[in-house]
Amino acid sequence: GAVVSQHPSRVICKSGTSVKIECRSLDFQATTMFWYRQFPKQSLMLMATSNEGSKATYEQGVEKDKFLINHASLTLSTLTVTSAHPEDSSFYICSARNLREPGGTEAFFGQGTRLTVV
Amino acid sequence: AQTVTQSQPEMSVQEAETVTLSCTYDTSESDYYLFWYKQPPSRQMILVIRQEAYKQQNATENRFSVNFQKAAKSFSLKISDSQLGDAAMYFCAYSPPSGGGADGLTFGKGTHLIIQP
Repeated sequence: GAVVSQHPSRVICKSGTSVKIECRSLDFQATTMFWYRQFPKQSLMLMATSNEGSKATYEQGVEKDKFLINHASLTLSTLTVTSAHPEDSSFYICSARNLREPGGTEAFFGQGTRLTVV
Repeated sequence: AQTVTQSQPEMSVQEAETVTLSCTYDTSESDYYLFWYKQPPSRQMILVIRQEAYKQQNATENRFSVNFQKAAKSFSLKISDSQLGDAAMYFCAYSPPSGGGADGLTFGKGTHLIIQP
């Protein structure tokens, strides 16, 4: 299957600082990537859809200015958590679908990033 | 909006036995995709099995099979010959038809599967 790499796997930052998380598709091109957030012992919630070369599409209730998404190439999307606060602490997961696969049905996931804001 | 419901927060099964995880969903679409993902303690999401709604035949992958009831909007996962490595969170997920891969997944709340040795 296709590989999606996410970095870093863990990050601790001070309140008020910004943190950037990278998501790369290693062996396929992804015009669309997805960012999810997962709280402890809860499900994955779609935050936004990252579109290569255009603005991201955010789900209702997700602050665009807080969670900046950039999809500058077909293999890289970044999520920047700006002015992070303790309530932003969570597990963030990216995924991408392989366009070469018929219907692009399967979503491949990164390893996730555990963000802790202190 | 689509919703996915997993009514079993936790299930326990003896090793080598069979267990069924339940999932129901709500959609107004006639064509869509359904998935079961496994999330072990590493938290890496792993695809277990998928089903295209237009296919009547239930998907199977080795010890994993689904019972897809389109009219009832039910999509249960059966794990046969359970193994210790099957212990994980299992998420049911829905995706609308997406030729361009442009849609994210809607996940259920998950079922924590415990395998008793």
